[in-house]
Amino acid sequence: QKEVEQDPGPLSVPEGAIVSLNCTYSNSAFQYFMWYRQYSRKGPELLMYTYSSGNKEDGRFTAQVDKSSKYISLFIRDSQPSDSATYLCAMTGGYGNNRLAFGKGNQVVVIP
Amino acid sequence: DTEVTQTPKHLVMGMTNKKSLKCEQHMGHRAMYWYKQKAKKPPELMFVYSYEKLSINESVPSRFSPECPNSSLLNLHLHALQPEDSALYLCASSRGATGELFFGEGSRLTVL
Repeated sequence: QKEVEQDPGPLSVPEGAIVSLNCTYSNSAFQYFMWYRQYSRKGPELLMYTYSSGNKEDGRFTAQVDKSSKYISLFIRDSQPSDSATYLCAMTGGYGNNRLAFGKGNQVVVIP
Repeated sequence: DTEVTQTPKHLVMGMTNKKSLKCEQHMGHRAMYWYKQKAKKPPELMFVYSYEKLSINESVPSRFSPECPNSSLLNLHLHALQPEDSALYLCASSRGATGELFFGEGSRLTVL
């Protein structure tokens, strides 16, 4: 079983729809959870960062972490064509371990 | 704009060439990373420098040689590469080990 599972299937939604992405993981030592956004031919950009369980909201973006279920989610409200990108979940245990475990990424296309 | 600067943006080299990729950050981050990313795949960790010392080498072939001249600079020396080494090479930096990585835009390498 991979440490982080993210269904890599592409996702196409109409503009204004809610985008819902999720990842599951197996390593209970993970404490820091990230969502990175990567536009085509660019480097990943940190979008959301959460420590331990809970919700975090930043504008149209909401990240949720449920450590009891080992499940994290990202919601994008009122999606815009500029949200079209690949979204990668990532996580780490911290404690001086600089390794991030990445999901495979979801390509999201928002259709005007 | 990213605060991690990578040069060159594009590089084409033959299998007998020697070239270098360069990365610079001025955020005072003490950890710097090299990642390799193939198309439609997540980034794969290659090397981590922490306080200018190599702390992680993910069993990368010796044809890739990292160097950290000071806390702001990171180089990746390339020699005798193979066509399968063609990829996007990403540099990143972080303040600590909690996953908040700042990526550069990458150097797209093609090995002929």
